Amino acid sequence: DGGITQSPKYLFRKEGQNVTLSCEQNLNHDAMYWYRQDPGQGLRLIYYSQIVNDFQKGDIAEGYSVSREKKESFPLTVTSAQKNPTAFYLCASSRQGGITGELFFGEGSRLTVL
Amino acid sequence: DQQVKQNSPSLSVQEGRISILNCDYTNSMFDYFLWYKKYPAEGPTFLISISSIKDKNEDGRFTVFLNKSAKHLSLHIVPSQPGDSAVYFCAASGGRAGGSQGNLIFGKGTKLSVKP
Repeated sequence: DGGITQSPKYLFRKEGQNVTLSCEQNLNHDAMYWYRQDPGQGLRLIYYSQIVNDFQKGDIAEGYSVSREKKESFPLTVTSAQKNPTAFYLCASSRQGGITGELFFGEGSRLTVL
Repeated sequence: DQQVKQNSPSLSVQEGRISILNCDYTNSMFDYFLWYKKYPAEGPTFLISISSIKDKNEDGRFTVFLNKSAKHLSLHIVPSQPGDSAVYFCAASGGRAGGSQGNLIFGKGTKLSVKP
């Protein structure tokens, strides 16, 4: 089945450590996104990528980094510079020329900093 | 400043009745609106959308209404079912042709509880 796979589902990190969240899609979508959700908050955009080897900062990019070396993959690194990294992270994708704004989401990764 | 607002954090309705979830927006450049449904510990799933050139879109039990002059949209679920219990996010897009430009703006969500 086509879809978006995020891993790990749960991750614990000590302060000062970098962690990388994986996102893979087999939907042949060109665009991929990373969102963050905090309790009682909407989804906030961290980074997005329209095509391979290109990505743009979203609203809350500080303390995060991404890469887009393959169309299928868009990993997110949460660096030690991110001051409040505990959150639920969602990866999404969309097809260019598809219904405007319709995103397909993965199941999310919950990061907890100890 | 929030561009997409869902002012009711929660809503409780009886099974079989109508659920009405509301959403307001401030940016008149938005031209595409979407509703997503989210269960705990899962990613949101697309539910229904509406273009700004329309005022209503219907899909089965779900209908979205758009009032551009009031910058307001609502999602109606009729009849409501216990399986509809979830968090519903309203989202808006600047809607340039060619797909999302990463500019999908989400509201904070409304938690719907449908009681048997």
